[in-house]
Amino acid sequence: EPEVTQTPSHQVTQMGQEVILRCVPISNHLYFYWYRQILGQKVEFLVSFYNNEISEKSEIFDDQFSVERPDGSNFTLKIRSTKLEDSAMYFCASSPTGKPTGELFFGEGSRLTVL
Amino acid sequence: ILNVEQSPQSLHVQEGDSTNFTCSFPSSNFYALHWYRWETAKSPEALFVMTLNGDEKKKGRISATLNTKEGYSYLYIKGSQPEDSATYLCASPIRDSQGNLIFGKGTKLSVKP
Repeated sequence: EPEVTQTPSHQVTQMGQEVILRCVPISNHLYFYWYRQILGQKVEFLVSFYNNEISEKSEIFDDQFSVERPDGSNFTLKIRSTKLEDSAMYFCASSPTGKPTGELFFGEGSRLTVL
Repeated sequence: ILNVEQSPQSLHVQEGDSTNFTCSFPSSNFYALHWYRWETAKSPEALFVMTLNGDEKKKGRISATLNTKEGYSYLYIKGSQPEDSATYLCASPIRDSQGNLIFGKGTKLSVKP
């Protein structure tokens, strides 16, 4: 069964370093998302991406964050200069329809630890 | 502001027990309600997406109901099994958004053999 894959599964980095989290969405899906969950808190929406551009982003997704689809398969989240509060599990998701009534297909997550 | 709440936060049951938990959401501007099942070290997986008041959906031993007028959904598990142990997340999309789901904190279910 097709699935969303994410790498790395865990990354430890020093504050101020750049981090790139990678995702391979399901191949025939057109809508891509990043969510995150800080330990003990709710899963939060970061950004949605369609047709090679951001379609929606949350307040969390400030200038330190960027997303890219560098080729036909990868979808990346870059954090330019990590802060301690960026420590979280980051989930990539994809959807065939982009409709609010359509389910999202999530990856297993990338755990980011900022020291 | 769309706020989604779940209760209880955690639940411990014995194998064979039936259980249920609640998701509350604002009834105004309701659009849809998603349920996801998230096993440790795996990806969250969609169980149901519900849109109509009074809707009831079933997948094996798991079922869900929806009351959009009063703003709640129940998830039921009949005859819990250890493999049902997971965190159950509900989420509601912001109207007219593309995949901006507002999640509850989840209910963590542990089923003891």
